[in-house]
Amino acid sequence: GAVVSQHPSRVICKSGTSVKIECRSLDFQATTMFWYRQFPKQSLMLMATSNEGSKATYEQGVEKDKFLINHASLTLSTLTVTSAHPEDSSFYICSAARVAFSTDTQYFGPGTRLTVL
Amino acid sequence: AQKITQTQPGMFVQEKEAVTLDCTYDTSDPSYGLFWYKQPSSGEMIFLIYQGSYDQQNATEGRYSLNFQKARKSANLVISASQLGDSAMYFCAMREGNGNYGGATNKLIFGTGTLLAVQP
Repeated sequence: GAVVSQHPSRVICKSGTSVKIECRSLDFQATTMFWYRQFPKQSLMLMATSNEGSKATYEQGVEKDKFLINHASLTLSTLTVTSAHPEDSSFYICSAARVAFSTDTQYFGPGTRLTVL
Repeated sequence: AQKITQTQPGMFVQEKEAVTLDCTYDTSDPSYGLFWYKQPSSGEMIFLIYQGSYDQQNATEGRYSLNFQKARKSANLVISASQLGDSAMYFCAMREGNGNYGGATNKLIFGTGTLLAVQP
């Protein structure tokens, strides 16, 4: 159990285009999902917290107009990178919080590697 | 403010030997949770082990154990009987709230990671 999927796994796009990344919790409902980005050989940095049915909470320094987050259902959150530029190239990982047991935690998707040319 | 520190950028270990990966943390919240994740070259984050701040015993999961020393604010991961497949990046993470029905929705703060290489 506790499987989280991401789509696509890899995407290459031209500078100026928008890219949408989907994060799905396959076997549990997640009222809260998180979006992280990871540059090569660096740690995961939290970008935003996505709550079902409400606006996302962005971390300091993350442009909310550039990284649009929609959490339309209990199993799906999307991250749209608008007008992508080469500096947005990174590994984007989502996680979904399963709250069913006292020690439950976040489960991560396999990640999406974005390359902006 | 929360902080996680992993001072070992890289570690080597011989196959079948045990290895300890260090993690220290800082928080002013008495209720928190500590996690270890494994990230192989494929990029996925694999949950290994969890320790709540109020847990009396050190967490264990198969070959993984967490050496939790609350007074020293350390949460070292011990991998016993290392296998070649253990070669990966390992991240220590902390969240405020120890997971009691809502803690899971609190954000995680990650350390910088330790790259473990298991040698045959």
